[in-house]
Amino acid sequence: GEDVEQSLFLSVREGDSSVINCTYTDSSSTYLYWYKQEPGAGLQLLTYIFSNMDMKQDQRLTVLLNKKDKHLSLRIADTQTGDSAIYFCAESPWGSQGNLIFGKGTKLSVKP
Amino acid sequence: DVKVTQSSRYLVKRTGEKVFLECVQDMDHENMFWYRQDPGLGLRLIYFSYDVKMKEKGDIPEGYSVSREKKERFSLILESASTNQTSMYLCASRFGQGGNSPLHFGNGTRLTVT
Repeated sequence: GEDVEQSLFLSVREGDSSVINCTYTDSSSTYLYWYKQEPGAGLQLLTYIFSNMDMKQDQRLTVLLNKKDKHLSLRIADTQTGDSAIYFCAESPWGSQGNLIFGKGTKLSVKP
Repeated sequence: DVKVTQSSRYLVKRTGEKVFLECVQDMDHENMFWYRQDPGLGLRLIYFSYDVKMKEKGDIPEGYSVSREKKERFSLILESASTNQTSMYLCASRFGQGGNSPLHFGNGTRLTVT
């Protein structure tokens, strides 16, 4: 069935790199997404990657996709305290009528 | 920029009340969604709509209904609120169903049912 798995917590020191991992199950998903949720707010789209790509870089963000293992990761370089938030991975399976399937979210804590 | 506006950030209602949560988007998106978010459970889809007057049940529709009379507005209705419906409610919209069209979210409504 459809399921997206993420670890629930990650703690890093300011200035270090953060890597948030995600596994998904539906190989029909042509796009995979990363969303960020700050306290008390809705979800904000960070980036997304097309399934025929291995990597996408956008400033401090790097997304890596291993389609064979259905593994997605988000790397944040030079992590700042403002990056503290919950990060959601999501897939868009074929036939889902536009719905995305979300992981439960990884809470990133950045210590000064 | 796409703007999805939820009418209330915080709501407190009593058990048994009828509750309306309103959501408006300004980008002519066909698809609109209602999720609820609970600690440890992530986002769960309640209902979605892919056109005016059309609606589809999501994963947890029990106790909820929806209304989409105009393309830009999608309302979530709790017919008789119960304490287990205390949650954060998130509305989202999306253009089309292609994977390269991401969901855009509102800021959420935190509903407390006492």
